Amino acid sequence: GQNIDQPTEMTATEGAIVQINCTYQTSGFNGLFWYQQHAGEAPTFLSYNVLDGLEEKGRFSSFLSRSKGYSYLLLKELQMKDSASYLCAVMDSNYQLIWGAGTKLIIKP
Amino acid sequence: DSGVTQTPKHLITATGQRVTLRCSPRSGDLSVYWYQQSLDQGLQFLIQYYNGEERAKGNILERFSAQQFPDLHSELNLSSLELGDSALYFCASSVEREYSEQYFGPGTRLTVT
Repeated sequence: GQNIDQPTEMTATEGAIVQINCTYQTSGFNGLFWYQQHAGEAPTFLSYNVLDGLEEKGRFSSFLSRSKGYSYLLLKELQMKDSASYLCAVMDSNYQLIWGAGTKLIIKP
Repeated sequence: DSGVTQTPKHLITATGQRVTLRCSPRSGDLSVYWYQQSLDQGLQFLIQYYNGEERAKGNILERFSAQQFPDLHSELNLSSLELGDSALYFCASSVEREYSEQYFGPGTRLTVT
Protein backbone atom coordinates (compact mmCIF):
# COMPACT_ATOMS: atom_id res chain seq x y z
CA GLY A 1 0.00 0.00 0.00
CA GLN A 2 0.90 3.64 -0.15
CA ASN A 3 1.93 5.35 3.02
CA ILE A 4 3.16 8.75 4.17
CA ASP A 5 4.36 9.25 7.73
CA GLN A 6 4.74 12.53 9.57
CA PRO A 7 4.90 13.28 13.29
CA THR A 8 1.47 14.14 14.63
CA GLU A 9 2.53 17.17 16.62
CA MET A 10 5.65 19.23 17.31
CA THR A 11 6.38 22.14 19.61
CA ALA A 12 9.01 24.82 19.06
CA THR A 13 9.97 28.21 20.43
CA GLU A 14 9.53 31.54 18.68
CA GLY A 15 12.73 32.52 16.89
CA ALA A 16 14.07 28.96 16.80
CA ILE A 17 14.41 26.43 13.97
CA VAL A 18 12.25 23.35 13.51
CA GLN A 19 12.51 20.41 11.10
CA ILE A 20 9.39 18.46 10.15
CA ASN A 21 10.13 15.05 8.67
CA CYS A 22 8.15 13.07 6.14
CA THR A 23 8.82 9.51 4.99
CA TYR A 24 6.92 7.90 2.18
CA GLN A 25 6.31 4.60 0.45
CA THR A 26 4.39 5.07 -2.76
CA SER A 27 3.93 3.34 -6.09
CA GLY A 28 6.22 5.54 -8.11
CA PHE A 29 7.30 9.08 -7.45
CA ASN A 30 6.62 12.25 -9.40
CA GLY A 31 7.39 14.86 -6.80
CA LEU A 32 6.74 15.83 -3.21
CA PHE A 33 4.74 18.82 -2.01
CA TRP A 34 4.55 20.64 1.29
CA TYR A 35 1.46 22.63 2.24
CA GLN A 36 0.64 24.80 5.25
CA GLN A 37 -2.83 24.75 6.75
CA HIS A 38 -4.03 27.04 9.51
CA ALA A 39 -6.92 25.68 11.56
CA GLY A 40 -10.21 25.91 9.71
CA GLU A 41 -8.56 27.35 6.60
CA ALA A 42 -7.52 26.05 3.22
CA PRO A 43 -4.10 24.50 2.66
CA THR A 44 -1.62 26.77 0.90
CA PHE A 45 1.28 25.59 -1.24
CA LEU A 46 4.78 25.92 0.25
CA SER A 47 7.20 23.90 -1.86
CA TYR A 48 7.71 21.24 -4.49
CA ASN A 49 10.70 18.86 -4.76
CA VAL A 50 11.23 16.37 -7.54
CA LEU A 51 15.05 16.12 -7.52
CA ASP A 52 17.28 15.28 -4.57
CA GLY A 53 18.56 18.20 -2.60
CA LEU A 54 17.53 21.32 -0.80
CA GLU A 55 15.14 23.99 -2.08
CA GLU A 56 15.23 27.25 -0.18
CA LYS A 57 12.47 29.83 -0.16
CA GLY A 58 12.89 32.56 2.40
CA ARG A 59 12.54 31.21 5.93
CA PHE A 60 11.34 27.84 4.61
CA SER A 61 13.47 25.12 3.01
CA SER A 62 12.53 21.66 1.82
CA PHE A 63 14.83 18.70 1.33
CA LEU A 64 14.33 15.50 -0.61
CA SER A 65 16.15 12.16 -0.75
CA ARG A 66 14.40 9.88 -3.22
CA SER A 67 16.61 6.87 -2.42
CA LYS A 68 15.59 7.09 1.24
CA GLY A 69 11.95 8.03 0.62
CA TYR A 70 12.47 10.99 2.88
CA SER A 71 11.83 14.69 2.95
CA TYR A 72 11.91 17.42 5.54
CA LEU A 73 10.60 20.93 5.83
CA LEU A 74 12.86 23.34 7.70
CA LEU A 75 11.39 26.48 9.20
CA LYS A 76 13.80 29.14 10.47
CA GLU A 77 13.27 32.18 12.67
CA LEU A 78 9.94 30.84 13.79
CA GLN A 79 7.10 33.28 14.22
CA MET A 80 3.84 32.82 16.08
CA LYS A 81 1.98 32.88 12.75
CA ASP A 82 3.84 29.68 11.76
CA SER A 83 1.60 27.78 14.16
CA ALA A 84 -0.29 25.56 11.73
CA SER A 85 -0.45 22.06 10.32
CA TYR A 86 2.11 21.11 7.70
CA LEU A 87 1.02 18.56 5.13
CA CYS A 88 3.37 16.38 3.11
CA ALA A 89 1.97 14.99 -0.17
CA VAL A 90 3.60 12.72 -2.74
CA MET A 91 2.58 12.43 -6.38
CA ASP A 92 2.62 8.77 -7.34
CA SER A 93 3.15 7.06 -10.70
CA ASN A 94 -0.46 7.80 -11.68
CA TYR A 95 0.09 11.49 -10.88
CA GLN A 96 -2.22 11.23 -7.92
CA LEU A 97 -1.39 13.12 -4.73
CA ILE A 98 -1.10 10.92 -1.67
CA TRP A 99 -1.49 13.05 1.44
CA GLY A 100 0.03 12.60 4.87
CA ALA A 101 -2.11 13.26 7.93
CA GLY A 102 -0.17 16.44 8.67
CA THR A 103 2.03 17.69 11.49
CA LYS A 104 0.54 20.19 13.90
CA LEU A 105 3.23 22.72 14.81
CA ILE A 106 2.78 24.67 18.03
CA ILE A 107 4.95 27.76 18.53
CA LYS A 108 5.51 28.96 22.07
CA PRO A 109 6.74 32.46 22.99
CA ASP B 1 -6.89 34.67 -2.02
CA SER B 2 -6.16 31.61 -4.14
CA GLY B 3 -8.62 32.53 -6.89
CA VAL B 4 -10.70 29.42 -6.27
CA THR B 5 -14.22 30.13 -5.07
CA GLN B 6 -16.58 27.82 -3.25
CA THR B 7 -20.21 28.27 -2.29
CA PRO B 8 -21.81 28.10 0.12
CA LYS B 9 -19.38 28.81 2.92
CA HIS B 10 -21.52 27.07 5.52
CA LEU B 11 -24.31 24.54 5.15
CA ILE B 12 -26.46 23.00 7.87
CA THR B 13 -28.84 20.24 6.93
CA ALA B 14 -30.55 17.17 8.32
CA THR B 15 -29.76 13.50 7.92
CA GLY B 16 -31.17 11.96 4.78
CA GLN B 17 -31.04 15.20 2.83
CA ARG B 18 -29.15 16.05 -0.35
CA VAL B 19 -26.88 19.04 -0.90
CA THR B 20 -24.82 20.49 -3.74
CA LEU B 21 -21.50 22.21 -3.25
CA ARG B 22 -20.16 24.45 -5.97
CA CYS B 23 -16.62 25.33 -7.01
CA SER B 24 -15.16 27.72 -9.56
CA PRO B 25 -11.50 27.09 -10.35
CA ARG B 26 -8.83 29.74 -10.93
CA SER B 27 -8.98 31.32 -14.34
CA GLY B 28 -7.15 29.06 -16.80
CA ASP B 29 -7.05 25.99 -14.54
CA LEU B 30 -8.42 22.84 -16.15
CA SER B 31 -8.19 20.42 -13.23
CA VAL B 32 -10.56 20.42 -10.28
CA TYR B 33 -10.16 18.26 -7.17
CA TRP B 34 -12.54 17.62 -4.30
CA TYR B 35 -11.40 16.80 -0.77
CA GLN B 36 -13.09 15.99 2.50
CA GLN B 37 -11.55 16.93 5.83
CA SER B 38 -13.25 15.81 9.01
CA LEU B 39 -12.44 17.49 12.33
CA ASP B 40 -8.73 17.18 13.14
CA GLN B 41 -8.28 14.69 10.30
CA GLY B 42 -6.13 14.73 7.20
CA LEU B 43 -7.30 15.52 3.70
CA GLN B 44 -9.21 12.73 2.00
CA PHE B 45 -9.11 12.90 -1.77
CA LEU B 46 -12.53 12.32 -3.29
CA ILE B 47 -12.39 12.91 -7.05
CA GLN B 48 -10.60 14.81 -9.80
CA TYR B 49 -11.85 16.23 -13.10
CA TYR B 50 -9.73 17.46 -15.95
CA ASN B 51 -11.34 19.60 -18.65
CA GLY B 52 -14.75 18.08 -18.06
CA GLU B 53 -13.69 14.46 -17.80
CA GLU B 54 -13.32 12.38 -14.66
CA ARG B 55 -9.59 11.84 -14.17
CA ALA B 56 -9.25 9.99 -10.88
CA LYS B 57 -11.35 8.68 -8.04
CA GLY B 58 -10.31 8.46 -4.43
CA ASN B 59 -12.31 7.46 -1.37
CA ILE B 60 -15.61 8.77 -2.67
CA LEU B 61 -18.77 7.15 -1.38
CA GLU B 62 -21.45 5.96 -3.79
CA ARG B 63 -23.81 8.50 -2.21
CA PHE B 64 -21.51 11.24 -3.49
CA SER B 65 -21.13 12.33 -7.10
CA ALA B 66 -19.51 15.19 -8.94
CA GLN B 67 -19.28 16.74 -12.36
CA GLN B 68 -17.36 19.44 -14.15
CA PHE B 69 -19.26 21.65 -16.57
CA PRO B 70 -18.12 23.15 -19.91
CA ASP B 71 -17.28 26.44 -18.17
CA LEU B 72 -15.03 24.33 -15.88
CA HIS B 73 -16.91 24.98 -12.66
CA SER B 74 -17.64 21.85 -10.68
CA GLU B 75 -20.33 20.60 -8.35
CA LEU B 76 -20.17 17.94 -5.64
CA ASN B 77 -23.47 16.30 -4.82
CA LEU B 78 -23.90 14.61 -1.46
CA SER B 79 -27.06 12.57 -0.90
CA SER B 80 -28.66 10.52 1.88
CA LEU B 81 -26.54 12.52 4.29
CA GLU B 82 -25.33 10.96 7.51
CA LEU B 83 -23.94 12.56 10.66
CA GLY B 84 -20.48 11.32 9.68
CA ASP B 85 -20.57 13.40 6.51
CA SER B 86 -20.13 16.55 8.59
CA ALA B 87 -16.80 17.96 7.47
CA LEU B 88 -14.99 20.68 5.58
CA TYR B 89 -15.17 20.09 1.84
CA PHE B 90 -12.39 21.69 -0.16
CA CYS B 91 -12.15 22.21 -3.85
CA ALA B 92 -8.75 22.75 -5.44
CA SER B 93 -7.64 23.54 -8.96
CA SER B 94 -4.45 23.30 -10.96
CA VAL B 95 -3.43 24.41 -14.39
CA GLU B 96 -2.24 21.05 -15.64
CA ARG B 97 -3.14 17.46 -15.02
CA GLU B 98 0.26 16.65 -13.59
CA TYR B 99 3.24 18.32 -11.98
CA SER B 100 1.24 21.25 -10.77
CA GLU B 101 0.61 22.57 -7.32
CA GLN B 102 -3.01 22.73 -6.32
CA TYR B 103 -4.71 25.92 -5.21
CA PHE B 104 -7.42 25.44 -2.63
CA GLY B 105 -10.68 27.24 -2.20
CA PRO B 106 -11.83 28.41 1.25
CA GLY B 107 -13.97 25.33 1.73
CA THR B 108 -17.58 24.59 2.56
CA ARG B 109 -18.32 23.58 6.13
CA LEU B 110 -21.12 21.02 6.12
CA THR B 111 -22.94 20.21 9.33
CA VAL B 112 -25.41 17.35 9.29
CA THR B 113 -27.78 17.29 12.27
